[in-house]
Amino acid sequence: GENVEQHPSTLSVQEGDSAVIKCTYSDSASNYFPWYKQELGKGPQLIIDIRSNVGEKKDQRIAVTLNKTAKHFSLHITETQPEDSAVYFCAAIGSGGGADGLTFGKGTHLIIQP
Amino acid sequence: EAQVTQNPRYLITVTGKKLTVTCSQNMNHEYMSWYRQDPGLGLRQIYYSMNVEVTDKGDVPEGYKVSRKEKRNFPLILESPSPNQTSLYFCASSFHKAGELFFGEGSRLTVL
Repeated sequence: GENVEQHPSTLSVQEGDSAVIKCTYSDSASNYFPWYKQELGKGPQLIIDIRSNVGEKKDQRIAVTLNKTAKHFSLHITETQPEDSAVYFCAAIGSGGGADGLTFGKGTHLIIQP
Repeated sequence: EAQVTQNPRYLITVTGKKLTVTCSQNMNHEYMSWYRQDPGLGLRQIYYSMNVEVTDKGDVPEGYKVSRKEKRNFPLILESPSPNQTSLYFCASSFHKAGELFFGEGSRLTVL
């Protein structure tokens, strides 16, 4: 089955700086890569996703890049703000088997320092 | 409002006392899933359901049961809870397995 590794586990950046979270996956057939944000006391919420037919996708201050050859994808947050402080999860899903759906990384706790 | 509703949100129980965590969604989603979240381990899938009467094991199914008698409901059953099932539980739903997952607010369970 799919295995997703996520780094770092904790990331502290100054407000206004950029943050980058990286994930690798094992199943070369995976074709859908979402990112979820979990705020304190809440359930995870989708913030951006990318499919394997594109290399990059942007939505205002957040962007995701995908390198299928290297089997890794990254989340980029620019001009970080206090409300970006949260736990972020990457995930992947294969196109063939795996009816169980998404495999999640272990999460990154992003801390925005004022 | 489109949502996934879990109950109870918080529960403290004792070893061996059967309990059920309910999950209901109002988005007509076919796919539903249960996850547990533990520090340093991320989200691990317990059980999932592709549609009514269709359920299957995820990565950590031991000690849990589920049922899917109606499309909107997907309860998680702990027949004989043990302390290692102390965790934060999330129910989620989506139109299909590779679509946007909508999560509930979570149920924090403590087994003494």
